[in-house]
Amino acid sequence: IAGITQAPTSQILAAGRRMTLRCTQDMRHNAMYWYRQDLGLGLRLIHYSNTAGTTGKGEVPDGYSVSRANTDDFPLTLASAVPSQTSVYFCASSDGQGADEQYFGPGTRLTVT
Amino acid sequence: GQNIDQPTEMTATEGAIVQINCTYQTSGFNGLFWYQQHAGEAPTFLSYNVLDGLEEKGRFSSFLSRSKGYSYLLLKELQMKDSASYLCAVRDSNYQLIWGAGTKLIIKP
Repeated sequence: IAGITQAPTSQILAAGRRMTLRCTQDMRHNAMYWYRQDLGLGLRLIHYSNTAGTTGKGEVPDGYSVSRANTDDFPLTLASAVPSQTSVYFCASSDGQGADEQYFGPGTRLTVT
Repeated sequence: GQNIDQPTEMTATEGAIVQINCTYQTSGFNGLFWYQQHAGEAPTFLSYNVLDGLEEKGRFSSFLSRSKGYSYLLLKELQMKDSASYLCAVRDSNYQLIWGAGTKLIIKP
């Protein structure tokens, strides 16, 4: 089934450790996004990429980095995790056509201790 | 600042109709989206409004008034499977989505 996959599904991470969350889509969408979702708050954009080779900062980029070497993959890296980065992370993509609605991956639940 | 407001929680009865409101203040407007999110799952796209008026899609309808900064999602013939959170999002002048915190809808038999 075409769509977006994320890995890992969940992870417990010690503070100070480095972690990369993986995201892969097979829909050939140009744009990809990383969000975090915290209880009581709306989804907040961390970073985005409008096309392979380009990235941009969202609302809450500090402590996170991304790369977009090709169309399919958009990994999110936490260089040195802190407890405030405990959250559910969603990757999404869109094709830039019509409504340009975003399609979401299943999410990664990250706990930083 | 940018702001999306929607009720935190609503309760409705199976078979009934419920209206979930969303008001917004954003820098620019390039469309309003409604998404459904079941507990522990990813958001899924429901509807998109860019012009004023009502968009109907089966049991779900979405309305937009740009002059009032207001939208609603109308769910008819409620089913137990409609128990979920409903997220309102506005695409701003930077073409990024600004998200509300979501409305948790509880359906009772």
